Amino acid sequence: DSGVTQTPKHLITATGQRVTLRCSPRSGDLSVYWYQQSLDQGLQFLIQYYNGEERAKGNILERFSAQQFPDLHSELNLSSLELGDSALYFCASSVGGFEDTQYFGPGTRLTVL
Amino acid sequence: AQTVTQSQPEMSVQEAETVTLSCTYDTSESDYYLFWYKQPPSRQMILVIRQEAYKQQNATENRFSVNFQKAAKSFSLKISDSQLGDAAMYFCAYGTGTASKLTFGTGTRLQVTL
Repeated sequence: DSGVTQTPKHLITATGQRVTLRCSPRSGDLSVYWYQQSLDQGLQFLIQYYNGEERAKGNILERFSAQQFPDLHSELNLSSLELGDSALYFCASSVGGFEDTQYFGPGTRLTVL
Repeated sequence: AQTVTQSQPEMSVQEAETVTLSCTYDTSESDYYLFWYKQPPSRQMILVIRQEAYKQQNATENRFSVNFQKAAKSFSLKISDSQLGDAAMYFCAYGTGTASKLTFGTGTRLQVTL
């Protein structure tokens, strides 16, 4: 158990809908990262937050947004969902900077029908 | 842009034997970190081992060790005394300060046979 929690574990929804994925980092970690793992794109970095502020952005679609709250938990919002958004979404956390190891949560499996 | 290449899509090893998974990376950075993560059928991403680029000594964690060749930009993972529980997808990853993210390779699926 990495100490990073993600809810829900599974999510099935329809095209055009909006969903919210939630992540709680390990105790003491200030950084939260979101990654998408799909069959055709592999593991792709989406976005990083550090202590409530956006720090780095990757291949995140405009339909996707994220935030980190004062208690350091983070939410990833996916809207206007398309079939291609079906993937495993991971949250990872680290103490702070790039030199710190990222520990991954169990992931949320999103299926868009 | 940094890239990570794992040229072996699949590998197989017999129980108790040793196997080496390959990884190469491309970077112009001098300060970076390299990782191996394991993803078993549960899909959880589990850290196996970490290597700091500034360290010449190869990292070791129990049965897992790396061969880090900085000049060749090579970072291979050696698994000794392979166990059935080692069967998983293994991802090599690279992290640097100019981009906080981890860049992952495409993975190597390791089978462990009796």
